[in-house]
Amino acid sequence: EPEVTQTPSHQVTQMGQEVILRCVPISNHLYFYWYRQILGQKVEFLVSFYNNEISEKSEIFDDQFSVERPDGSNFTLKIRSTKLEDSAMYFCASRGLGEQYFGPGTRLTVT
Amino acid sequence: SQQGEEDPQALSIQEGENATMNCSYKTSINNLQWYRQNSGRGLVHLILIRSNEREKHSGRLRVTLDTSKKSSSLLITASRAADTASYFCATVNYGGSQGNLIFGKGTKLSVKP
Repeated sequence: EPEVTQTPSHQVTQMGQEVILRCVPISNHLYFYWYRQILGQKVEFLVSFYNNEISEKSEIFDDQFSVERPDGSNFTLKIRSTKLEDSAMYFCASRGLGEQYFGPGTRLTVT
Repeated sequence: SQQGEEDPQALSIQEGENATMNCSYKTSINNLQWYRQNSGRGLVHLILIRSNEREKHSGRLRVTLDTSKKSSSLLITASRAADTASYFCATVNYGGSQGNLIFGKGTKLSVKP
């Protein structure tokens, strides 16, 4: 069964550093999403991407964040200068015409 | 309260019992979905119910939707220890352009063997 994959599974970085989280959505899906979940809290929407551009973003998704689909398969989330409060699980999701399928997540720890 | 609020926050039952979790939401929705998350892991889609549906079944899962009360319930029958997880409802807003999901805080279910 096709699945969304994410790498790395765990990333530790120092405050102020840039990180890139990678996702490979399901191949025939058209809509892509990033969500995050701070430990013990609910999953929050960050951004959606369709037709090679951002279609919606939340207030969390400020200028420090960017997304890219550099080729036909990868979908990346970049955080330009990480802060302590960026520590969270980051989930990528994709969908065709139905429900969203989530990847296993990347745990980002900012020290 | 926020969109997609589940209750109870935590539920502990014995194996074999039924577990019922509720979700309330505030705005008009296109559909409502339930997800499961094992501790520290990803989200697994369980079931989607559209706004024009009232009840849906999938195996041991039964979901109801009452749009007049803006609420949904997830029933897991004959629970197993492996059902131990957090359960989230998520809504897709009516008119939302790309189907962004709005999650609740979840119900943490513990099924004791």
